Amino acid sequence: NAGVTQTPKFRILKIGQSMTLQCTQDMNHNYMYWYRQDPGMGLKLIYYSVGAGITDKGEVPNGYNVSRSTTEDFPLRLELAAPSQTSVYFCASSRLNGYTFGSGTRLTVV
Amino acid sequence: GNSVTQMEGPVTLSEEAFLTINCTYTATGYPSLFWYVQYPGEGLQLLLKATKADDKGSNKGFEATYRKETTSFHLEKGSVQVSDSAVYFCALRQKTSYDKVIFGPGTSLSVIP
Repeated sequence: NAGVTQTPKFRILKIGQSMTLQCTQDMNHNYMYWYRQDPGMGLKLIYYSVGAGITDKGEVPNGYNVSRSTTEDFPLRLELAAPSQTSVYFCASSRLNGYTFGSGTRLTVV
Repeated sequence: GNSVTQMEGPVTLSEEAFLTINCTYTATGYPSLFWYVQYPGEGLQLLLKATKADDKGSNKGFEATYRKETTSFHLEKGSVQVSDSAVYFCALRQKTSYDKVIFGPGTSLSVIP
């Protein structure tokens, strides 16, 4: 099925470890986004991209990095995991008619 | 700046009750407005949208009308079902150079039999 695919679905990290959350879309959307969702807090934008090679910071970029080498892929990198990064992470893509979201990655940092 | 405000939850209703979830926004110009729904353990899904004043978005029995004069986009359904239990997010998109959407905090709805 077409859409946004995120991996992994669950992950437990130790403080100081690093990891990459993968996101791939097959709808040829130019715009892609990473959000984090904390309980009762809605969604906060971490980074976004308007096309391959172009990325920019959102509301809460500290502790994260992104790259966009292709239209399809938009990985999110955590370099030094901290407990404050425990959250559910959603990737999304769009082409002006509304977002398509992935199913999320639940990350716990201990 | 742009923002979206929603009524606080959680909201608990009996099956077949009438649902209203209030949403108001602050934005310059004429944003597009959306409602997204998140079922337990899933990502958000677009429920309905409206792109200009007085437009009515509708889907799966849900409706919302874009009211420019009151800067509102309230979500309504005449008869809720248990399967409607989810978190509902109101959102707006400014017609800027990129497709950035601003989400409200979400309203949790529980429908009991």
